[in-house]
Amino acid sequence: DTAVSQTPKYLVTQMGNDKSIKCEQNLGHDTMYWYKQDSKKFLKIMFSYNNKELIINETVPNRFSPKSPDKAHLNLHINSLELGDSAVYFCASSLKGAGNTIYFGEGSWLTVV
Amino acid sequence: AQRVTQPEKLLSVFKGAPVELKCNYSYSGSPELFWYVQYSRQRLQLLLRHISRESIKGFTADLNKGETSFHLKKPFAQEEDSAMYYCALSGRNAGNMLTFGGGTRLMVKP
Repeated sequence: DTAVSQTPKYLVTQMGNDKSIKCEQNLGHDTMYWYKQDSKKFLKIMFSYNNKELIINETVPNRFSPKSPDKAHLNLHINSLELGDSAVYFCASSLKGAGNTIYFGEGSWLTVV
Repeated sequence: AQRVTQPEKLLSVFKGAPVELKCNYSYSGSPELFWYVQYSRQRLQLLLRHISRESIKGFTADLNKGETSFHLKKPFAQEEDSAMYYCALSGRNAGNMLTFGGGTRLMVKP
């Protein structure tokens, strides 16, 4: 299957823990993203990487650290989790260039208790 | 700065009724506009984009630069159209970053 896949799909963890969400795409895209969808369903860009280099970093706490070992992978590591981090995190990918379709993963439901 | 506004959080219609999901945008250049759909607990999927001017699942959207709008329309709603719909904008000076509107939940009642 060609797709954007992310793991885990569901994650429940305690405040203060450190967790990672992994993302891989086999679409041959050169740009990957992390989006956050909050409880009110708002979707907001967090990071964008092109060929393993950070190109967009919105106002995200530095507890969130993306890592791109190669252009097919963009992992999200979160330190010292807080209750407000509970959300659905979507990984996505595309070819670089405005107007190119962005393909999304299925989302990772993070619940911090 | 680029911004997308979807004024309705919820739109409820009966099956067979026409649907219009509103979207307005703010962008200083020439934007690329998209509609994405998210069915219950699934990934976002591209529904359509203005540049292709196509109709997907009976939905159409026309870019109106004068009114800075990109409303999504369907003449006869079906129950399976019930989902979250997001209007999104991509600008050339934003690294292909998609800016999303707040989303509109469409509920089609039998």
